[in-house]
Amino acid sequence: GAVVSQHPSRVICKSGTSVKIECRSLDFQATTMFWYRQFPKQSLMLMATSNEGSKATYEQGVEKDKFLINHASLTLSTLTVTSAHPEDSSFYICSAPRPGSNQPQHFGDGTRLSIL
Amino acid sequence: AQSVTQLDSQVPVFEEAPVELRCNYSSSVSVYLFWYVQYPNQGLQLLLKYLSGSTLVKSINGFEAEFNKSQTSFHLRKPSVHISDTAEYFCAVSVSGNTGKLIFGQGTTLQVKP
Repeated sequence: GAVVSQHPSRVICKSGTSVKIECRSLDFQATTMFWYRQFPKQSLMLMATSNEGSKATYEQGVEKDKFLINHASLTLSTLTVTSAHPEDSSFYICSAPRPGSNQPQHFGDGTRLSIL
Repeated sequence: AQSVTQLDSQVPVFEEAPVELRCNYSSSVSVYLFWYVQYPNQGLQLLLKYLSGSTLVKSINGFEAEFNKSQTSFHLRKPSVHISDTAEYFCAVSVSGNTGKLIFGQGTTLQVKP
């Protein structure tokens, strides 16, 4: 079964709305989680690394004020798309590795965000 | 920096035929290599991985990939595909010792036809 849960699976909202996406590790603690963005028919682009108890690390070109990341507990990271616009429409996916060395990433099922 | 190239954006194949999905990478340091599969509107599922040791790695559903350091490749193969194998396949790399930050290839759509 799933080890990383992502919610909601789909969001449709008006331009200017802020949208929060949750990523939970279900049976392990994750001090680090990752947020990706995937455009249609394209690959996943890493947006940021979410660090429990500290600030997220953003990849070059990603607006940290636009994509707010909070990692308040060892099992939950949230991505908030602030004042969303149509160009923010995309598929957002989170991932988390199990504790221990060389553990592969487990991915959530993704969130389809559509901004009208 | 690392990069990954998947040369084939789409691979159509008939059911029960063999298939190879190509993946080449570029890195100045040692890397870990992964293949992930994505079904429509879903997240990614790990198919197989190479961290160290035997260069040929296999999955439980018949896929295998071979790490070739000299050719910087990690091609995915299956001797006989099924309709259910139709999906998007992503090759990814991370720096050795750190499975966190993954760099993905562009993806290959495997279309299995009856």
